[in-house]
Amino acid sequence: SQQGEEDPQALSIQEGENATMNCSYKTSINNLQWYRQNSGRGLVHLILIRSNEREKHSGRLRVTLDTSKKSSSLLITASRAADTASYFCATFNAGGTSYGKLTFGQGTILTVHP
Amino acid sequence: DAEITQSPRHKITETGRQVTLACHQTWNHNNMFWYRQDLGHGLRLIHYSYGVHDTNKGEVSDGYSVSRSNTEDLPLTLESAASSQTSVYFCASGTGLGETQYFGPGTRLLVL
Repeated sequence: SQQGEEDPQALSIQEGENATMNCSYKTSINNLQWYRQNSGRGLVHLILIRSNEREKHSGRLRVTLDTSKKSSSLLITASRAADTASYFCATFNAGGTSYGKLTFGQGTILTVHP
Repeated sequence: DAEITQSPRHKITETGRQVTLACHQTWNHNNMFWYRQDLGHGLRLIHYSYGVHDTNKGEVSDGYSVSRSNTEDLPLTLESAASSQTSVYFCASGTGLGETQYFGPGTRLLVL
């Protein structure tokens, strides 16, 4: 079962524009993580935001978390062609049947045109 | 530099054969995970381990097994390969519970 659901499924923008991807989840979480996957490669960790945090930055990346709405967003500013990839959110819940495991969404495919 | 490797990177096998996919990490992480990635399903957890001799089933464990005899390796075995197991398989490792996971490059498996 999918805990995180990304929106949109696909996003196409021009270089220099900002890209925003959203993730919604169903149950309470301890943290939420964003990963990037380039075509044919493994996933690479981008940012981890804990349930008591509301916003986090890393370079051109900005992640927000709204636990009341059970949603998160990933903003990539001043996008580059090299940002073209699939982006996944993953949620962690320390309790319940998903103990100790990350649950991944199906991802957003981002295409940045030069 | 620490890394996580998978072998083989590509594998073609026949239905009914036993197949083992290797995963080796030099991060010295206690936690290791196997996922499969399929279109329309995202990443799904197959098996995971929190330390030597510890193994646990994930959400899609039927037809797969793992064993953990040391910290570095978590081989994934398909007991009797089926066409439904055609997929891309990713191994990952991590430190604490629910913390960042580091992924291998993946193994693309085709079962004919």
